[in-house]
Order: sequence, then C-alpha cells, then structure tokens
Amino acid sequence: AQKITQTQPGMFVQEKEAVTLDCTYDTSDQSYGLFWYKQPSSGEMIFLIYQGSYDEQNATEGRYSLNFQKARKSANLVISASQLGDSAMYFCAMGSGGSYIPTFGRGTSLIVHP
Amino acid sequence: DAGVTQSPTHLIKTRGQQVTLRCSPKSGHDTVSWYQQALGQGPQFIFQYYEEEERQRGNFPDRFSGHQFPNYSSELNVNALLLGDSALYLCASGRGGRVLTDTQYFGPGTRLTVL
Repeated sequence: AQKITQTQPGMFVQEKEAVTLDCTYDTSDQSYGLFWYKQPSSGEMIFLIYQGSYDEQNATEGRYSLNFQKARKSANLVISASQLGDSAMYFCAMGSGGSYIPTFGRGTSLIVHP
Repeated sequence: DAGVTQSPTHLIKTRGQQVTLRCSPKSGHDTVSWYQQALGQGPQFIFQYYEEEERQRGNFPDRFSGHQFPNYSSELNVNALLLGDSALYLCASGRGGRVLTDTQYFGPGTRLTVL
C-alpha cells in the first residue's frame, strides 16, 4: 500500500518570497512517481511537477522545484518568488507499481499575501 | 485545442436516485480516469478507462460504473445515491493507459450534491 502525508493544512507567504510545502510518502515499490498538483478555487487540478524514483536530479519547472530526499521519503515542493495567483490548494500524489494507480495527500492551502 | 471538458458543472439529486456524469478528454488522449474529491480531502481514484474497457479500479462499490465510447469520451454512473456521494467528481485524461502521468490533464469537475 502507498501513503502520502501532507502535514501542513495551511501556509501563508509574503508575495515574492519562497515557500516550501511538505510531503512525505510511503511505499514498498522501488519504482514510483511523485507529483504535485495545484487546485485553484475553480476546482481544476493543474499538474505542476513530476519526480521519478530513479531520477538523480531534483525536478524543476520554472518557479517550481521538487526537493526529493529518497532516504527520508520526502518530496517537498518549493515555490520561488511567490505570486498572488499562487494562492490555491496544493496536492502531493504518488503512483507506483505497474499501474500507477494514484494516491493523493489531503492537501495544503497556500495563501500569498501582498 | 480544447482541454478536458465535463458536464454538467453542478448537479443536485436526492438519495436513491441515479446520476450520469460526462467527460470529453483532451484532443489526442485515449485514457480517461475518474476521481471523487470529498470536501477537504484529496481526490480518490475511482476507475480508469482505456480502449473502451475498465482497466483499473479503486476501492469503490459496484454502484459506481462507467463507460468509454469509441471517441474516447466517458461517462460515470452512480446508482442508489447516498448522502456520502456528495463530492466534486473529476475526470482526467492521458495517453497510453497509464493512470497517473506527467501528461495527465484534469477537467474542471462536476459538483454533485445529494440531498
């Protein structure tokens, strides 16, 4: 069984500052993928970034980077230079095994202050 | 290029009724997955359709069923609705039968309320 834990129900950050959203995972599979999604109030889940378990480099996509620490089973999302439009729910998810049936965390609400 | 579309946007039903939700995948995508997202929770995987067949299924009862059409669009059917079925139902499309990929796109969801 796989499990995702997001321990921060809510986070606040000042505009233009960086913020880290925590995610820890548990799986017995050696091959897995970790994903972060953003969900604005409109409801649509927006893919942000992906990290494969065998990827040696931390994934980066623009202002998003994934701090992948395999031994600690953590996959934290770092958002640099926060913008007001970054205010949303953020979900960490993983898929493992051949089917990659996903498990999502409970999410972290991020509010960016001007 | 249209993204993933879902209909209806909102729906109100009463207990015991049946409901059908619809999803059209992004152009070029052949795989559709359905998720249930209860208030304050992350999405939970219901099932995935690929090549018009249910390929993977999450921990949901048989009251939840689906269908995929030759044009890759999909329907989610829920019978004998319970109050606990009230949720946002998300559809996601991708390619090649994998459930969760970096090329998966979600629709805006259908908000179902069961009274």
